Amino acid sequence: NAGVMQNPRHLVRRRGQEARLRCSPMKGHSHVYWYRQLPEEGLKFMVYLQKENIIDESGMPKERFSAEFPKEGPSILRIQQVVRGDSAAYFCASSPHLNTEAFFGQGTRLTVV
Amino acid sequence: AQTVTQSQPEMSVQEAETVTLSCTYDTSESDYYLFWYKQPPSRQMILVIRQEAYKQQNATENRFSVNFQKAAKSFSLKISDSQLGDAAMYFCAYRSTDSNYQLIWGAGTKLIIKP
Repeated sequence: NAGVMQNPRHLVRRRGQEARLRCSPMKGHSHVYWYRQLPEEGLKFMVYLQKENIIDESGMPKERFSAEFPKEGPSILRIQQVVRGDSAAYFCASSPHLNTEAFFGQGTRLTVV
Repeated sequence: AQTVTQSQPEMSVQEAETVTLSCTYDTSESDYYLFWYKQPPSRQMILVIRQEAYKQQNATENRFSVNFQKAAKSFSLKISDSQLGDAAMYFCAYRSTDSNYQLIWGAGTKLIIKP
């Protein structure tokens, strides 16, 4: 059973471009969570999704950020018109049920130049 | 709101010796979970050990054990017989019983193992 797969591992974008981060949860997992890790800090919760539904997006900025988890395919975290402050590592985690442990992917390191 | 504090930005230990990483937290809840995660240079976030607040017994996983002091809101991680592969960032995290994803994270401690 492959773990949580995130791609790309590294992503470089110029200011104003769009960034798309992908997360394929572990097989059988229908709950996906996105976190952001700024340099020298712990992870900060962004959004929680189940298949086709956003359950909690309280940690995600209201503008420029969106997330989806379609019926088929990976979960996508989309950042429009990136700015330097968006540079961070973005982690995805998944779990089979709501109150079970989540497993993390290796993260995507976004660098905005 | 809950907070998690790791007061040691960096720790070093000689290979084969024992090291303790500190973590304190603040909460008004009586039941919750505490975790230690390891993040090696590969950036994979790996669960090391977890503690349920209602359990008085300290959790252990092979060379890893915790000292959970609920009244003091302290949750330290002890690594015995340190190995080179233990070198990583270590994060302490808190979770309410009613939310498995709203983990509250400390800022991390970088552990260096000296050969």
